[in-house]
Amino acid sequence: KNEVEQSPQNLTAQEGEFITINCSYSVGISALHWLQQHPGGGIVSLFMLSSGKKKHGRLIATINIQEKHSSLHITASHPRDSAVYICAVRDYGGSQGNLIFGKGTKLSVKP
Amino acid sequence: SQTIHQWPATLVQPVGSPLSLECTVEGTSNPNLYWYRQAAGRGLQLLFYSVGIGQISSEVPQNLSASRPQDRQFILSSKKLLLSDSGFYLCAWSEGLGTNEKLFFGSGTQLSVL
Repeated sequence: KNEVEQSPQNLTAQEGEFITINCSYSVGISALHWLQQHPGGGIVSLFMLSSGKKKHGRLIATINIQEKHSSLHITASHPRDSAVYICAVRDYGGSQGNLIFGKGTKLSVKP
Repeated sequence: SQTIHQWPATLVQPVGSPLSLECTVEGTSNPNLYWYRQAAGRGLQLLFYSVGIGQISSEVPQNLSASRPQDRQFILSSKKLLLSDSGFYLCAWSEGLGTNEKLFFGSGTQLSVL
C-alpha cells in the first residue's frame, strides 16, 4: 500500500512570501492530486498530475516520477491562501476507491 | 455545471440513534461516488465507494453502511450510532480515469455523537 508523506505539517508565512509544500509517496502511481481544504471543511481539487508541471494563477504543481515526489508552490502568497493543502495519490491499477491521502499541510499566511 | 450537494452541514445525535447523510450530484451521469471520514490530525479515510447504482464497496469494517438508490444519489447510514462514529464526513465524486480524472468534494458534515 502506498504511503503518502507531506511536509511541513504546519507552515506560517508572511503575505507575499513564496511557499513550497512537499509530498512524497512510496510506490509508483498513475496520478497525484493536490487538494485545498478551507476552514469550513469543503475540499477543492487544485491539480491532477501524472508528469511534469502545471500552473494555475499563482499556484504551481510539479511532480518527479523517478523520485516519487511532488511539490506545490504558491507565489506572492496572500491571507486568502490560508488553508490545509492535501496530497492524494492513485496507485497503478488501483480500483476506483484506491486514492491514498496525506495528512495535509496547514498553511497560515499573515498580512 | 457540475455540482455536489451534501447535507446536513452539522449534526448532533445521541448514541444509539440512526443516521442518514445524503449526497447528490448534478451535471454528470454515472459518476464514481465516495464517502470519506476525516479524523482530526489524520488523512481522509475511504469508507465506501460506488461505481454504479446498487454497487457498493466497503473499505473498512464499521458500524456504517452506504446505498446508491439512484445514479447521482449516495447515502451514508447507520442503524445505531456509536461515540466513535463522530467525525467529519465528506462525499465526493469522480469522473474519468488516469490523466483525465476529475475529483469533486462536497462541503462535508460534522457529526457529533453524544
